[in-house]
Amino acid sequence: AQKITQTQPGMFVQEKEAVTLDCTYDTSDPSYGLFWYKQPSSGEMIFLIYQGSYDQQNATEGRYSLNFQKARKSANLVISASQLGDSAMYFCAMREGLPSGSRLTFGEGTQLTVNP
Amino acid sequence: GAGVSQSPRYKVAKRGQDVALRCDPISGHVSLFWYQQALGQGPEFLTYFQNEAQLDKSGLPSDRFFAERPEGSVSTLKIQRTQQEDSAVYLCASSGTGAVAEAFFGQGTRLTVV
Repeated sequence: AQKITQTQPGMFVQEKEAVTLDCTYDTSDPSYGLFWYKQPSSGEMIFLIYQGSYDQQNATEGRYSLNFQKARKSANLVISASQLGDSAMYFCAMREGLPSGSRLTFGEGTQLTVNP
Repeated sequence: GAGVSQSPRYKVAKRGQDVALRCDPISGHVSLFWYQQALGQGPEFLTYFQNEAQLDKSGLPSDRFFAERPEGSVSTLKIQRTQQEDSAVYLCASSGTGAVAEAFFGQGTRLTVV
C-alpha cells in the first residue's frame, strides 16, 4: 500500500485565491511527522511546513497552513492568496518514528499552476 | 553558502562508466540522506548516514551503488557501471537534531546515462 497518496497530479488556481492540495497517509506508527515541500523547476526541495502526530493544533507558516485530520489520515496543504511564484511541484512526505535518522517517504506530487 | 551543496549539477555518462556525485551538507548537521528522483515522481530513499556511520542502505537499488561519508561531513555517492535506468536526479539532504529536524535539500545532480 502507498504510504503517501496525492491524488491531484495537477491543480490550477487564480492569482490571489486560495488552493488546497490533498494528501493522505498510511502508517501504524503512533509517532510520525508530516511535511510539505515545494520543488520549483530549479530542482531544489524547499521545506514549507511540518505537522507532528501529537500536535493538537494545525500548523501554520505564513500563507501556508496544514489541515490535519488525524482520524481520516489526511494532511492537506492550504495556500492562501496564491502568487505567481507559487507555481511549482508540491510534495507531501511522512517520517515515521523518531525524528533523528528517519527517512522521508514522499508522495507522487501535485503540479500547481497559478494563473494571472 | 549556508545550504546543502551538490556537484556536479549535471552529469552525462556513457553506459558502463563510473560516476561520483558529491554532497556538502549544512555544517554541523549529523544526519545525511541520499534520495533518487525519477522524472515526474517523488524522491525515493537510497541511504542514510549519521556522522560517518552508514546506518541504513536499504534503498540502494543494487551493489553498483555505493556511498560514503568518511569524515562525517562531505558525502559521495558512487555508481559503478552505469546503466540507462540509473538516469535520474540524485538529491542529498541533511538535517540537525530537534523535534522537527526538517531535511534541507540540495539542488540535486541530474544524471543522464546514454
